[in-house]
This record gives sequence, structure tokens and C-alpha cells, in this order.
Amino acid sequence: SQQGEEDPQALSIQEGENATMNCSYKTSINNLQWYRQNSGRGLVHLILIRSNEREKHSGRLRVTLDTSKKSSSLLITASRAADTASYFCATGPPYGYGQNFVFGPGTRLSVLP
Amino acid sequence: DTGVSQNPRHKITKRGQNVTFRCDPISEHNRLYWYRQTLGQGPEFLTYFQNEAQLEKSRLLSDRFSAERPKGSFSTLEIQRTEQGDSAMYLCASGNSGTQYEQYFGPGTRLTVT
Repeated sequence: SQQGEEDPQALSIQEGENATMNCSYKTSINNLQWYRQNSGRGLVHLILIRSNEREKHSGRLRVTLDTSKKSSSLLITASRAADTASYFCATGPPYGYGQNFVFGPGTRLSVLP
Repeated sequence: DTGVSQNPRHKITKRGQNVTFRCDPISEHNRLYWYRQTLGQGPEFLTYFQNEAQLEKSRLLSDRFSAERPKGSFSTLEIQRTEQGDSAMYLCASGNSGTQYEQYFGPGTRLTVT
């Protein structure tokens, strides 16, 4: 089954540094999304990249997708303490194969002031 | 935009009891999803509605679980004969087929089965 797996499981950086998280999956996808979850709060959609796209930007976020390697990366530039959260990738099945989105176990990011 | 709301936010129940959770999606959204999340893990897909039709169910959704979305607006998730393994955060998300795949999540209902 398709499965998102984030790497690393945990990441600790200083404020102002860049943070990079990776996601690998196993089967064909239509799109890949990144979500953020703060402690005790719901998930917030960050960015979506479609299978025919290679790179996407949104503010301080940069997402890449390599479908040949079945992997994606999320880069957060100039990190802030408020970026401290868990980050999840979620893969969407190919078109016509339903809406069963698969989330990985997440990367816990700590940004130290 | 009032966002996705879920009630109750917390539920403590004894094993064997039935529980029901409610989700109110963003009003113009026609898609609604239920997920379960345990500590340290990502959400696991449970089921999906488009309008009032339940189009997809995970194999994780045992016979004790049932979900409805009777008028294509709010949804309920019922767990019968709860077990300790059902303890988790139950998340609801909504989306609009016009915006493809983005999902907007509610704050979740934390279930504790004692």
C-alpha cells in the first residue's frame, strides 16, 4: 500500500536556520501534501504538490517532488520558534482510486530561540 | 469562515459503552473525512463522504464503527461496544471537490476508554 514516511523523526534547530524534512512513499500518487500540527491543535494544510510538478513555493516553504524516487522534501527557511510543530506528509491516490489519503508518522521539529 | 468544528472535544467512556461524535464541516464543502490519530502517529483514514454518500471505508473501520452524513452537511461517527484500543483522537476534515484535495481539519475529539 502507498505509505508516507517522514525522515527524520525528530529535528532540533536554532531559530533562523533552515529545516529540511523528507517523505518517501511506495506507490503511484496523484498529489502529495504537507500538514503541520502544533501541540494540542488540529492539522493545518501547508502546501500541495501534484504528481506532474517538481517544485512549489509558498512563503518560507519550498516543496520538491521526485516521482522517480517516490520522495518529497519540505524546506522551511529562516525558521522561527512558532514553526515548532509536527509535520506530516500525506499522499493522495491516483485519480479514480478514491480519497484514501495516507499520512506518515511525522517529523517533530523543535526550533530553539 | 467558521472552520470545521467537532463535538465533544473530549469523551471518557467505559469499555462496552457506545459513543457518538459530531463533525460540522465548512458549510460549502461537499467532501468530509474521518481519521483516527494515536499518539506519535499520523492520522489514519477511516471513511470519506461526498455529499451524503459514503464512498469509501477503510478496512480499519470495523463493524463497531459507523458513520453517517444524512443531509450532506454534518456527520456523526458512532463506535459501539467501545474497547480500550479505540482510545485515540478522532479527526474530521472537510474539503471541496472544486479545490481538489486540500483538507481542512477540525480540532478533533479525544476519546479515552477506561
